[in-house]
Amino acid sequence: EAGVTQFPSHSVIEKGQTVTLRCDPISGHDNLYWYRRVMGKEIKFLLHFVKESKQDESGMPNNRFLAERTGGTYSTLKVQPAELEDSGVYFCASSPSGTGQPQHFGDGTRLSIL
Amino acid sequence: AQSVTQLGSHVSVSEGALVLLRCNYSSSVPPYLFWYVQYPNQGLQLLLKYTSAATLVKGINGFEAEFKKSETSFHLTKPSAHMSDAAEYFCAVSDRGSNYKLTFGKGTLLTVNP
Repeated sequence: EAGVTQFPSHSVIEKGQTVTLRCDPISGHDNLYWYRRVMGKEIKFLLHFVKESKQDESGMPNNRFLAERTGGTYSTLKVQPAELEDSGVYFCASSPSGTGQPQHFGDGTRLSIL
Repeated sequence: AQSVTQLGSHVSVSEGALVLLRCNYSSSVPPYLFWYVQYPNQGLQLLLKYTSAATLVKGINGFEAEFKKSETSFHLTKPSAHMSDAAEYFCAVSDRGSNYKLTFGKGTLLTVNP
């Protein structure tokens, strides 16, 4: 089965610009999570979708971040406008429904804000 | 709130030596515990998981971990290190009440010396 796929793998933009990250989960996985790792820090939760609905967005840093999950399939995470502190690696993970199912991670998008 | 502490941001062992990576967690409800590994320029790969069944959990690549409730620990071990084990290792905790979102430790970078 195909794994979790993230696009792009790297993105370098200037402060104030807009960037959109995309995640394609494993087919059939209802749960989709976004995480971020800022350099030198731990990986932190951003938000969680169940199908197309946002279940928990308590980790979103501020309203410059907007996540969507179209039709319960792929998800996008848009940062507008980007700030220097948004630099880091953004991971997407998916899991099937059920108790304690492990999450499967993509390779991440490395975002650099100049 | 959940938390994870990984003791030692960097562990160095010789090839063939025992690998021991420490993880202590805090959770107010029965936890699900995971170890993930990240090889350079790759995403997070699940090594093993504890989901309230057997306390000694065997994972891929010869790794295992033991859940000790009294010590709130979930240490990762491998009897004999191989050069290919060099990577960053993350311990993570989740629970039903948090919709299974993962809380990660800061990670431990394992170096294997020839």
